[in-house]
Amino acid sequence: AQRVTQPEKLLSVFKGAPVELKCNYSYSGSPELFWYVQYSRQRLQLLLRHISRESIKGFTADLNKGETSFHLKKPFAQEEDSAMYYCALSPRDNYGQNFVFGPGTRLSVLP
Amino acid sequence: DTGVSQDPRHKITKRGQNVTFRCDPISEHNRLYWYRQTLGQGPEFLTYFQNEAQLEKSRLLSDRFSAERPKGSFSTLEIQRTEQGDSAMYLCASNQAVKGGELFFGEGSRLTVL
Repeated sequence: AQRVTQPEKLLSVFKGAPVELKCNYSYSGSPELFWYVQYSRQRLQLLLRHISRESIKGFTADLNKGETSFHLKKPFAQEEDSAMYYCALSPRDNYGQNFVFGPGTRLSVLP
Repeated sequence: DTGVSQDPRHKITKRGQNVTFRCDPISEHNRLYWYRQTLGQGPEFLTYFQNEAQLEKSRLLSDRFSAERPKGSFSTLEIQRTEQGDSAMYLCASNQAVKGGELFFGEGSRLTVL
């Protein structure tokens, strides 16, 4: 069975500081990893996915299969980055496509 | 198309009552998912449909829960004989049946069982 862990419930950083939100997963097959974000009073939305290898709003994430991690990074945090961040996994080799989410990390960017 | 919509947004009910939530997915999406989210937790998978077929159900989905998607468009999630532990946000999401397809979420239906 697949599992996603996010060790930090809350992460506080000052504006302009680097930020890293950690995500580890367990899955025996070939996973696809995502980061979803939920801003205050908004619906959950996709931030980025590992197969696209894009930088969205200055965030990047690299899939490390050896460490089974998919940490989210941004070199200079902005106040508007404050939100809940959820790491999610979908099995690429299973047509069932059951997305599994981590418990989330609340990022608070202080002025 | 305004995205995934859910109704009602909030529901307060007494223990033992039945409740039903509706989800209208993005029109061209053939997959529809139901998730439950409680405070401090990420979304937990309940069930999903491809067109009208219910393809997977979580063990979280007790026999008091039933979901339907009769014509492959909107879906309903019914909870019978509600319990206080059912209080949660019920999220609906949809996507196209391609591998790696992004989930598009609704705003959720918040259930409070008194």
